[in-house]
Amino acid sequence: EPEVTQTPSHQVTQMGQEVILRCVPISNHLYFYWYRQILGQKVEFLVSFYNNEISEKSEIFDDQFSVERPDGSNFTLKIRSTKLEDSAMYFCASKGGMANTGELFFGEGSRLTVL
Amino acid sequence: LAKTTQPISMDSYEGQEVNITCSHNNIATNDYITWYQQFPSQGPRFIIQGYKTKVTNEVASLFIPADRKSSTLSLPRVSLSDTAVYYCLVGPLSGGYNKLIFGAGTRLAVHP
Repeated sequence: EPEVTQTPSHQVTQMGQEVILRCVPISNHLYFYWYRQILGQKVEFLVSFYNNEISEKSEIFDDQFSVERPDGSNFTLKIRSTKLEDSAMYFCASKGGMANTGELFFGEGSRLTVL
Repeated sequence: LAKTTQPISMDSYEGQEVNITCSHNNIATNDYITWYQQFPSQGPRFIIQGYKTKVTNEVASLFIPADRKSSTLSLPRVSLSDTAVYYCLVGPLSGGYNKLIFGAGTRLAVHP
C-alpha cells in the first residue's frame, strides 16, 4: 500500500539552528500538507501546497517557516531559526490522485526537539 | 468550516461496542463527515467517511441522522489495540486543497 514517508524520525537541535524536515508524499497525489502536534495537544494545520505554491497557511506558519517541493517527489518543511516552542511532532500529509476521496494520508511524523 | 464537539474521553472494555458521538450543528450541504484515528506518536489514520444514513466498512460503522447535525462512530467489539484518539471532522469531500481542521478528539481507553 502506498504511504507517505518522513525523515528524520527524530531530530534534536539547538535553539536558533535551521532544520529541514523531509517528506515523500504518495506519488500521484496533488495536494500536500504539513501539520504539527505539540506533545499532549491537538493536531494543528500549518500549511497546504498545491501546484508548486502555498495555497493556505495558518498563523503558526510565520516567516520562520517555508515549504518547498524541489524535485517533484520530495516535500520539505524548513524552520529557519528554531525556537523552544517549535518542539513538536511534525506530520506531512498528501491527498488527491485519480480517485480523490478527500482522504488525507499522513506520514509517521518527525519529532523535533529544540534545546 | 463546521465546528465539531465530541466527548473528551471514553472508557470501555475489551469485546464491548463503543459509540462515539460528534455534534456538528452548522454542517453545510456539501460537507462530509470523516473520522480519523491516532495512536500515540503516529500520524492520524482515516477510518470512515459518510454523508448521510449509514456507512460500514471492515473497521467501523458511521451513523448519520437525517438532519446531519450529529454522527456516531461505532466500533464493534473493541480490543486493547483500539485505544487511541478519535477525531470527527466535517468538510467538503475533495474541496481541492481544503485543509482538515482537527479538534481535540475523543481519547478512548480500552481496558482488559
